Amino acid sequence: DIVMTQSPDSLAVSLGERATINCKSSQSVLYSSNDRDYLAWYQQKPGQPPKLLIYWASTRESGVPDRFSGSGSGTDFTLTISSLQAEDVAVYYCQQYYSTSWTFGQGTKVEIK
Amino acid sequence: EVQLVESGGGLVHPGGSLRLSCAPSGFTVTDNYMTWVRQAPGKGLEWVSVIYSDETTYYADSVKGRFSISRDNSENTLYLQMDSLRIEDTAVYYCARMGDFWSGYLHYSYGLDVWGQGTTVTVSS
Repeated sequence: DIVMTQSPDSLAVSLGERATINCKSSQSVLYSSNDRDYLAWYQQKPGQPPKLLIYWASTRESGVPDRFSGSGSGTDFTLTISSLQAEDVAVYYCQQYYSTSWTFGQGTKVEIK
Repeated sequence: EVQLVESGGGLVHPGGSLRLSCAPSGFTVTDNYMTWVRQAPGKGLEWVSVIYSDETTYYADSVKGRFSISRDNSENTLYLQMDSLRIEDTAVYYCARMGDFWSGYLHYSYGLDVWGQGTTVTVSS
């Protein structure tokens, strides 16, 4: 199975500051047939199901604020919140759907400093 | 409105069985890859199983041989049959849709874009 490792496990950022979350896969998730990284980012708030933020590593889902951005390719990926808002407090997960056995990272908890 | 509604969770003894259901509205279960994801109390997300549009199925190692994913096209419902349940299967179980499309002969999957609210499974003696 592809192992997804996120860092850090948690971070505290001041309102308006940048938050950066990293995700590393144990093997490439670049789908050569369509040249897309099969890597998604999700946000989960307490008591709610996850919400898709970013897919193909860097494409923002419809309706997601543009302060959220994704980057990276192959095995190393980053989710950036450019200016943290109070409503962004949540746990963030990366997920690969490249292999037939999908896997999530362990999650990164984002809090306000 | 596109949504998913799970049902069937509950309390079951170790070794018991349970069948979860997931009913979509606004689309059909045959249109997309459909998946189950679970979350143990206070823990992260764990992928459980997927059924493709062509009914190919895959499972996480932790549930292989015990869980079975299926769908009823006439009822437009997704199922997860869970047998030989263990205490560590205790979790909220979410069903979700993998968004995808075809462009010519190329297939694109783009992430779990629709999620249900989850149904709670508790395995305890």
